[in-house]
Amino acid sequence: NAGVTQTPKFQVLKTGQSMTLQCAQDMNHNSMYWYRQDPGMGLRLIYYSASEGTTDKGEVPNGYNVSRLNKREFSLRLESAAPSQTSVYFCASTPRSFNEKLFFGSGTQLSVL
Amino acid sequence: KQEVTQIPAALSVPEGENLVLNCSFTDSAIYNLQWFRQDPGKGLTSLLLIQSSQREQTSGRLNASLDKSSGRSTLYIAASQPGDSATYLCAVRRYSSYNTDKLIFGTGTRLQVFP
Repeated sequence: NAGVTQTPKFQVLKTGQSMTLQCAQDMNHNSMYWYRQDPGMGLRLIYYSASEGTTDKGEVPNGYNVSRLNKREFSLRLESAAPSQTSVYFCASTPRSFNEKLFFGSGTQLSVL
Repeated sequence: KQEVTQIPAALSVPEGENLVLNCSFTDSAIYNLQWFRQDPGKGLTSLLLIQSSQREQTSGRLNASLDKSSGRSTLYIAASQPGDSATYLCAVRRYSSYNTDKLIFGTGTRLQVFP
């Protein structure tokens, strides 16, 4: 049982490049989330998907787009990467909502030069 | 605006000690509070989830309490072990008038338990 799987684990981009972070869960969860973690700032929600076919903005959505491809997969896209997007990105899921325990992936370390 | 604070930022204790980690939040209107553990280079693992109607939750050597009126939660770790070394984060789910659902995270307490 893999849980929440994120790819890639590490990525270096140049300013202006684009990329997509992939996330998949095999727990049949309805809700999925993308967070970024920065030193001294805690985790901040970028986007979330309460259920298949829906997505909503979180605290820091600017510069990102998401796609809930199906119930299992939730991807995060950076269209034109900026140094301010250097961070560790985590995908998470819950069976239905924030009233339950979150299950996290192992993260993607992204550096934008 | 809900703010979540964890003090101390770092803690180093000898093996076997009982210890308490603190989490404070500014708005008592919360749905629940969750404690997580994060190992270096890894994702977060949920340890305990306390609903707003509950006072505490226990799992093995871990006990988390919640006092909404004072805006505080504590995570008690009994008989600490080197394997408990990690960063511990708390997060609160706030009430919201919008259909936006999120947790507010603290910045964590980095715990080191030495033999």
